[in-house]
Amino acid sequence: DVKVTQSSRYLVKRTGEKVFLECVQDMDHENMFWYRQDPGLGLRLIYFSYDVKMKEKGDIPEGYSVSREKKERFSLILESASTNQTSMYLCASSSQDPGNLYEQYFGPGTRLTVT
Amino acid sequence: AQSVSQHNHHVILSEAASLELGCNYSYGGTVNLFWYVQYPGQHLQLLLKYFSGDPLVKGIKGFEAEFIKSKFSFNLRKPSVQWSDTAEYFCAVFVYNQGGKLIFGQGTELSVKP
Repeated sequence: DVKVTQSSRYLVKRTGEKVFLECVQDMDHENMFWYRQDPGLGLRLIYFSYDVKMKEKGDIPEGYSVSREKKERFSLILESASTNQTSMYLCASSSQDPGNLYEQYFGPGTRLTVT
Repeated sequence: AQSVSQHNHHVILSEAASLELGCNYSYGGTVNLFWYVQYPGQHLQLLLKYFSGDPLVKGIKGFEAEFIKSKFSFNLRKPSVQWSDTAEYFCAVFVYNQGGKLIFGQGTELSVKP
C-alpha cells in the first residue's frame, strides 16, 4: 500500500515566518507534487518534481519554493508566510511507469493558518 | 490552456436518489481520466480511472463513469446514493504532453441526507 505522509496535520504560523512542509513517500515513486486546496478552486499545483534535485513550477509557484534532496522526500517552503497562503496543502506522488496510468497518491494534508 | 470543468459546485440528495456529476475537459488528444473522492477529514483517494477500452468504467463503492470522447466528458454516476457517500468529488485529467501533471476540476461537494 502506497503511503504518503506529511509532517503536520495542522500548523499555525505568523506573517513573515519561514515555513517548511515536509512530505515523505514510501513507494519509490519518481514524481512528487505539492498542491493547495481551497474551497471552490479545487486543487492547484504549486510545484512538482520528476527526480532528485529537480523541480518544475506548477500553476501557482509565487511565494513558494521546494527542495528534493532525496527521492522519497519533497519539501515545500514558504519563504515569508502571508495570510493569503492560509490553505490546505496536499502532497502527492506517482510512478513514471506508464502501466500505472500516472495515478497520484495523496497524503492527508496540512492545514496551514497564517495569522 | 487545458482545463477541467465540473458543472456542479454543491449537490444535495436524499438517500437512494441517483447521482450524476458532470465533468468536461478541454483537451483533444490522448488522456487518462480519474475521479477522486475526499471524505470528511480524510485524504483524497482514487474512486475510478479510465485510460482505454470500454468507456464505461466501474469503480469502488458502486460508482461508475462513462467516457464520451465526442463530448469531452467523463461523468460520474451512482444509481442509489447512501449517507456515507457525503464527500467532495474531483475529476482529473492526465494529458500526455503535459509531463506527468494531473489537471483537476474545481470539485463537487455532495451532501446526502439520511
